Amino acid sequence: QKEVEQDPGPLSVPEGAIVSLNCTYSNSAFQYFMWYRQYSRKGPELLMYTYSSGNKEDGRFTAQVDKSSKYISLFIRDSQPSDSATYLCAMSNYGNNRLAFGKGNQVVVIP
Amino acid sequence: GAVVSQHPSWVICKSGTSVKIECRSLDFQATTMFWYRQFPKQSLMLMATSNEGSKATYEQGVEKDKFLINHASLTLSTLTVTSAHPEDSSFYICSARDLELYTDEQYFGPGTRLTVT
Repeated sequence: QKEVEQDPGPLSVPEGAIVSLNCTYSNSAFQYFMWYRQYSRKGPELLMYTYSSGNKEDGRFTAQVDKSSKYISLFIRDSQPSDSATYLCAMSNYGNNRLAFGKGNQVVVIP
Repeated sequence: GAVVSQHPSWVICKSGTSVKIECRSLDFQATTMFWYRQFPKQSLMLMATSNEGSKATYEQGVEKDKFLINHASLTLSTLTVTSAHPEDSSFYICSARDLELYTDEQYFGPGTRLTVT
């Protein structure tokens, strides 16, 4: 079993819809959870960072962590064509310097 | 804040030559930088962890004599691909951790696309 599982998609949604992405993980020692957005031929950009169970909002983005179920989610409200990208979840056990990445989920927002 | 740059953004080289890629943290100091490679439609694969002033730690299967990493300052790490071959063609991305933040957030550079002919 991989440390982090993320369904690679792709996921196509109409503009304005809610995008829902998720990752599951097996390592209960993971404490920090991140979502990155990566446009084609660019480096990943940190979108959200959280370290506790619950929800964290930042504009149209909401990150959700459920440590008991080892499950994290990212929601994008009012999706825009500019949100079309690959979204990678990542997580770490603080101090070991390494991020475990999901495979990435390609999202296409159709105007 | 938290800007990481890479140079060059793309490079084409001939088989057998060496290529150096620079990674700089522009507005913060980074004791630790990371080098990844990424193949099309795949996730990031960690190659090595680079700590300022010490030898890099390479992931299993990554040849340290082929991928030379130097982290001479708190804002600069370099990756040199020696004796490059076509199979080394890939997207190389660096990331850095902010010294001031006691977190595991990594900030990524824009990537370098290497094509070996």
